[in-house]
Amino acid sequence: GAVVSQHPSRVICKSGTSVKIECRSLDFQATTMFWYRQFPKQSLMLMATSNEGSKATYEQGVEKDKFLINHASLTLSTLTVTSAHPEDSSFYICSARKRGGLYEQYFGPGTRLTVT
Amino acid sequence: AQKVTQAQTEISVVEKEDVTLDCVYETRDTTYYLFWYKQPPSGELVFLIRRNSFDEQNEISGRYSWNFQKSTSSFNFTITASQVVDSAVYFCALSGNNYGQNFVFGPGTRLSVLP
Repeated sequence: GAVVSQHPSRVICKSGTSVKIECRSLDFQATTMFWYRQFPKQSLMLMATSNEGSKATYEQGVEKDKFLINHASLTLSTLTVTSAHPEDSSFYICSARKRGGLYEQYFGPGTRLTVT
Repeated sequence: AQKVTQAQTEISVVEKEDVTLDCVYETRDTTYYLFWYKQPPSGELVFLIRRNSFDEQNEISGRYSWNFQKSTSSFNFTITASQVVDSAVYFCALSGNNYGQNFVFGPGTRLSVLP
């Protein structure tokens, strides 16, 4: 199998606080992980691509100082939303690509962030 | 640049009707993969199918079928005898042939199957 988990599945935080979302590949090594954001009734938009052991590559318009991504191991990537604001409320989905895999991405179940 | 278009924003059908969801893509890659995902209200993406650019055979899986036509850059998805449980948002996605390349998702089609 190729299972990706995310934690937490839902989080509510107050404006100005930081929130960390974890993405784990449970039964495979993920050399590349992707983070997507999905606003209500919209499609998934890629935020950043992270390769294990190196800095993440952010898409245009995504603030790297606000959305900190760490891919410290072959099974874990974290996304930290710093100084969250209500407009950061969204559904965050990660995906992982296996070592040696070229096209497949395995998606996590998503994390719903609400900033009050 | 890669792009995926799903012209139908929302579709409503009555149970047992057949429904086709359209997907048109743009890419300059000669090798690429096309995908369909289902996203129910829970939010989790459910993988439905992957098709590579060299395989134009149509595929059928139960009530689902896919029609891939390179000549028109389309990868349409048909649900036969739709059921209420098919209600979801369906995304078509494209991945190029460069290692590490991400998916490009279409805007999605929201399907409502009414009892």
